[in-house]
Amino acid sequence: DGGITQSPKYLFRKEGQNVTLSCEQNLNHDAMYWYRQDPGQGLRLIYYSQIVNDFQKGDIAEGYSVSREKKESFPLTVTSAQKNPTAFYLCASRETGPAGTSNEQFFGPGTRLTVL
Amino acid sequence: DAKTTQPNSMESNEEEPVHLPCNHSTISGTDYIHWYRQLPSQGPEYVIHGLTSNVNNRMASLAIAEDRKSSTLILHRATLRDAAVYYCILKTSYDKVIFGPGTSLSVIP
Repeated sequence: DGGITQSPKYLFRKEGQNVTLSCEQNLNHDAMYWYRQDPGQGLRLIYYSQIVNDFQKGDIAEGYSVSREKKESFPLTVTSAQKNPTAFYLCASRETGPAGTSNEQFFGPGTRLTVL
Repeated sequence: DAKTTQPNSMESNEEEPVHLPCNHSTISGTDYIHWYRQLPSQGPEYVIHGLTSNVNNRMASLAIAEDRKSSTLILHRATLRDAAVYYCILKTSYDKVIFGPGTSLSVIP
């Protein structure tokens, strides 16, 4: 089945440790995204990538890093520089179409990160 | 970046129509209007999108004002499974996507 997978669903880490969240898609989508969601809030864009080996900062990139070495993978590292890392992290992908078109985003199930 | 505003919460009775409003007064000509919904502890799922004309699909209808400064998502018969947070967002061709806090829809049996 095609889709986006994020692992693990729940993740616990000690304060000061870096942690990498996995996001894999087999939809052959060029664009991938990482969002952060805090309780009762909307989604905030961390990083996005329109093509392999390229990515841009979103609105809250500080304390995070990403890589896009393969089309199907877009891992997110939460570094110790991120002051409040406990949150629900969502990965998404989208097929980029011709200029003037707009395609839907497909979201993964999310990873709930808790830093103790 | 163009922003959207939505009511924080709305209620509907089961099996009645629901109209979820969204204002986007600073929308540009290339912005598509997308709607997603999110159940607790899950990723958002796509509902519908449009540019200028009204749109219908199996999940909902999207009514877009003539000046494109507002839109309304219409659920024709609300069910308990429609209880979720609904996000109205604008998507440009530049791929940056901004989500607001959305509208939390409660469906009363």
